Amino acid sequence: DGGITQSPKYLFRKEGQNVTLSCEQNLNHDAMYWYRQDPGQGLRLIYYSQIVNDFQKGDIAEGYSVSREKKESFPLTVTSAQKNPTAFYLCASSMGQRETQYFGPGTRLLVL
Amino acid sequence: GQNIDQPTEMTATEGAIVQINCTYQTSGFNGLFWYQQHAGEAPTFLSYNVLDGLEEKGRFSSFLSRSKGYSYLLLKELQMKDSASYLCAVRSPPPGGSYIPTFGRGTSLIVHP
Repeated sequence: DGGITQSPKYLFRKEGQNVTLSCEQNLNHDAMYWYRQDPGQGLRLIYYSQIVNDFQKGDIAEGYSVSREKKESFPLTVTSAQKNPTAFYLCASSMGQRETQYFGPGTRLLVL
Repeated sequence: GQNIDQPTEMTATEGAIVQINCTYQTSGFNGLFWYQQHAGEAPTFLSYNVLDGLEEKGRFSSFLSRSKGYSYLLLKELQMKDSASYLCAVRSPPPGGSYIPTFGRGTSLIVHP
């Protein structure tokens, strides 16, 4: 089946720890995105990538980093510089930046 | 800047019709999306409007008026499973945007028996 997978479903982070969220797609999509969702807030764009080995900051990139070494994969690292990381993180992909986005199931990150 | 407004919460009765409104003020316009999101799950694509008018897809319809900066999602014959959050997202081209949709805060719809 084609789709977008995210792992893990739940992730716990200790103070001062970096954690990496996985996002994989087998839809052959060129563009991939990371969003953060907080209660009562809309989806906010963290980073996006239009092609392999290229990515751009979104609206709230501080405290996050990404890589795009393969077309299928777009991992997000939440660094210790991100002071309020507790949120629901959603990965999405689209054929191109002007095409409809399709979302993965999300990862809920909690701080211990 | 981009500004998208939706009601925070709506309630409706099973079998009824509900209209969820979305107004937007954006730097340019290149399409409006509606997504459905059940609690703790991924948003799923419902509809896309780029021209004025009504798009019907089964029990769901979406309307767009570009001159008014206004859209609505119409849900007919409501079912309990329609209880979810409905997200409005607007895409704007450069230079004001990047073609990446900006999302509203979502409307939580509660359907009761």
